[in-house]
Amino acid sequence: GDSVTQMEGPVTLSEEAFLTINCTYTATGYPSLFWYVQYPGEGLQLLLKATKADDKGSNKGFEATYRKETTSFHLEKGSVQVSDSAVYFCALYTGNQFYFGTGTSLTVIP
Amino acid sequence: DVKVTQSSRYLVKRTGEKVFLECVQDMDHENMFWYRQDPGLGLRLIYFSYDVKMKEKGDIPEGYSVSREKKERFSLILESASTNQTSMYLCASSPGQVRINTEAFFGQGTRLTVV
Repeated sequence: GDSVTQMEGPVTLSEEAFLTINCTYTATGYPSLFWYVQYPGEGLQLLLKATKADDKGSNKGFEATYRKETTSFHLEKGSVQVSDSAVYFCALYTGNQFYFGTGTSLTVIP
Repeated sequence: DVKVTQSSRYLVKRTGEKVFLECVQDMDHENMFWYRQDPGLGLRLIYFSYDVKMKEKGDIPEGYSVSREKKERFSLILESASTNQTSMYLCASSPGQVRINTEAFFGQGTRLTVV
C-alpha cells in the first residue's frame, strides 16, 4: 500500500547549520508530496508541496524536490534558525487520502 | 484563509465516558479527516469522510465512531473512553478529489487525557 518513510529523529543542529531530512515514499500512480511542520502545542501547517516529478517546492528557505526515479522528497535548508525548531512531517496524497511519515523532531541551538 | 476549528484544546475525561470531539471547517471542503498523534507513531488515520453522511474507516477505527450531518462539521465519538485513547487528536479538511493544488488543512489539535 501507499506509505511514507522519513528519517528518524531527533535531530539537533547549531544555528546556521545545513539541514537535510530524508523522506522516501511508496505509492501507486502519481501522488502529490508535502512537508508539514508542527510547532509545539499546535496543529500541522503546510510548509511546501510538489505535485509532479521534478517539481521543487520551497518556502521560508526550505526546499524539497520531487524525485520520481528515487521516490524521494528530501527536505533541505541551507542555514537553520532557532525558530525552525519543530516537528517535520513528510506526506503524500493519492487522490483519496493523505499518508504521513512518523515525523522528525528538529532542535536548533544558538 | 481556511480555518479548521476544533472545539477544545484540552480535555480530561473519565474511563467509560462518552466523549465528543467536534471539528468545523469554513471552506466548503468535501473531505474531512480525524487522526490521532502519538510519540513515535506519527499521525494515524481514524476515520475520514468525503461527503455529508459518508464515512470511511481509516487505519485504527476501533473504539471510535464519527458523524457528518453537515458538510462543515465532522465529529469524532469515543463511545466508552479508555486510558489507551489518551492522545492528541487532529482534525483536517481538504478539497474533493482534486490532484493539483490540494492540501490538508489542520485544526490546532485536542489533547485528550482519559483518567
